[in-house]
Amino acid sequence: QQQVKQSPQSLIVQKGGISIINCAYENTAFDYFPWYQQFPGKGPALLIAIRPDVSEKKEGRFTISFNKSAKQFSLHIMDSQPGDSATYFCAASISGGGADGLTFGKGTHLIIQP
Amino acid sequence: DAGVTQSPTHLIKTRGQQVTLRCSPISGHKSVSWYQQVLGQGPQFIFQYYEKEERGRGNFPDRFSARQFPNYSSELNVNALLLGDSALYLCASSWAIVYEQYFGPGTRLTVT
Repeated sequence: QQQVKQSPQSLIVQKGGISIINCAYENTAFDYFPWYQQFPGKGPALLIAIRPDVSEKKEGRFTISFNKSAKQFSLHIMDSQPGDSATYFCAASISGGGADGLTFGKGTHLIIQP
Repeated sequence: DAGVTQSPTHLIKTRGQQVTLRCSPISGHKSVSWYQQVLGQGPQFIFQYYEKEERGRGNFPDRFSARQFPNYSSELNVNALLLGDSALYLCASSWAIVYEQYFGPGTRLTVT
């Protein structure tokens, strides 16, 4: 049972464009939603995270939008750069990654074309 | 500051063997979690330890076990290895159970 569904599986964006990755979750007990960036051969790196008491969080070029009623959240990368080319994972957990751990989506392979 | 460190980087084992993977958390972090990442998939939660006690366990067989030491480092043990255990094993540390998790570079395990 996949509790976090991520789309698209792959995405190609031109340099300077906006990259948008979407996730939907099923478990209404989830209350922490992080995004991770992973380069080949490396571990996932925490990018940005949100809790359901806010609808949007921005850090630099990265923004999370959160829709609690629809049980969806998305990552927007503004002014996408070739260095942003990586695999992005959304995740969700109960109480900030507690005893049940993080539940990850299957990932989005993002390519930024120069 | 040093991040999460894991050893070894790569490991090749034969079916039926046993393997031990090691993790050192970020200084000051007291919680360690283990994840398995199969190629092309997102990480899957295996265990979480906090203050040397198991606080959570994912849907993995009893062949998987772990422990946390007084210095908060951790070991993951896998017995009776199967081909399907081939994966990147990730360790994540956090200050406590309900805080952000930071991942190490992982150990690539290949079972032949």
